[in-house]
Amino acid sequence: GAGVSQSPSNKVTEKGKDVELRCDPISGHTALYWYRQSLGQGLEFLIYFQGNSAPDKSGLPSDRFSAERTGGSVSTLTIQRTQQEDSAVYLCASSSAWGDRGSTGELFFGEGSRLTVL
Amino acid sequence: AQSVAQPEDQVNVAEGNPLTVKCTYSVSGNPYLFWYVQYPNRGLQFLLKYITGDNLVKGSYGFEAEFNKSQTSFHLKKPSALVSDSALYFCAVRSMNTGFQKLVFGTGTRLLVSP
Repeated sequence: GAGVSQSPSNKVTEKGKDVELRCDPISGHTALYWYRQSLGQGLEFLIYFQGNSAPDKSGLPSDRFSAERTGGSVSTLTIQRTQQEDSAVYLCASSSAWGDRGSTGELFFGEGSRLTVL
Repeated sequence: AQSVAQPEDQVNVAEGNPLTVKCTYSVSGNPYLFWYVQYPNRGLQFLLKYITGDNLVKGSYGFEAEFNKSQTSFHLKKPSALVSDSALYFCAVRSMNTGFQKLVFGTGTRLLVSP
């Protein structure tokens, strides 16, 4: 597609339930990022995928959080046993690969998935 | 480790006046620097970037930023602010070192332009 697509745009869930958030990056972008933005806060890095390399999971806040990227394209962020503190906007971004010809690494963001845990 | 500091939570400026949003950074090696803007309930939009070359970078919507290596700063500027510039602005940095792929963001500065 023309831009980064995220779904759902809004998700309300009950504490303890699992949620899945989906990101469809820009076609041809090999790098994909997940960030979390809590109300009034900055962007917290969660995870980064680059091609077939092992993802950088250094930002995942707990083992309840996981992400996968299938076929080098679509990514799913899964939060198990959600807690109220997980309420935030989850932003996905993609970019061309570092080192690709002409790449200067700016990220293109989706509109985000707003998660509310009751 | 890479880091970005945006020392002001909010900047207030009157329409027509010049604006500056401050950013300082810390990276290993030379930096790639970016500014993004976020309007309410929207994702982030790219404004401008510094990769190499001229220290003064021009971007979208009349914004510009000046890279200052000695002060490790990359302040965002605009000669004449518009009410529509009111938004949340994020500075970001990544290292040119190939081992550091992650783009690290500052905490954001809210710009409020009054009529």
